[in-house]
Amino acid sequence: DIQMTQSPSTLSASVGDRVTITCRASQTISSWLAWYQQKPGKAPKLLIYKASSLESGVPSRFSGSGSGTEFTLTISSLQPDDFATYYCQQYGSYPYTFGQGTKLEIK
Amino acid sequence: QITLKESGPTLVKPTQTLTLTCTFSGFSLSTSGVGVSWIRQPPGKALEWLALIYWDDDKRYSPSLKSRLTVTKDTSKNQVVLTMTNMDPVDTATYYCAHQEEYGDSSGFFDYWGLGTLVTVSS
Repeated sequence: DIQMTQSPSTLSASVGDRVTITCRASQTISSWLAWYQQKPGKAPKLLIYKASSLESGVPSRFSGSGSGTEFTLTISSLQPDDFATYYCQQYGSYPYTFGQGTKLEIK
Repeated sequence: QITLKESGPTLVKPTQTLTLTCTFSGFSLSTSGVGVSWIRQPPGKALEWLALIYWDDDKRYSPSLKSRLTVTKDTSKNQVVLTMTNMDPVDTATYYCAHQEEYGDSSGFFDYWGLGTLVTVSS
């Protein structure tokens, strides 16, 4: 299985900040990576697929980059609605695997 | 629009078999490139992918759970069914079904999710 490691596990930030979350794969996955946002009690929401493609309807302050084994999710200017937990997921090979999550908290 | 909804028991006893149904609308599981996955999330923990069934009945399973899982589809009813045998308290989780589809050269991410159903395993 490909292991996905996110950092940091918790991130404290303020509205308006620029934040970056990193996801590392234990082996190369080309650009087969997605990012999700999850709020308490809710299903995950797709933000980014194929490492850098923005899902329809997702604000442009979200962006993704990377390929191979290292990927980042950047939020350019945090909004109050962005405080949530973020997960990366690889779909380069079966079994699909998720990172352990990054909780974005209000500072 | 695409919607999915999970249904099944909220409480199962250890050693019992869990059967969950995903009922969906807005797409057909007979369309080339379409699949439905099951994903679970223990309380306070990360997401774990379990199983996938494709439009052509190809099936994929998490190796760590493969011996306990079966996924089937009923295209006429727009349903996908997941069975998990020999349930244990560690299987307590919210279980989600999710839609995936080939978009160009990309497939394997989940663009639509059900609301999830919490299954508790306890005697």
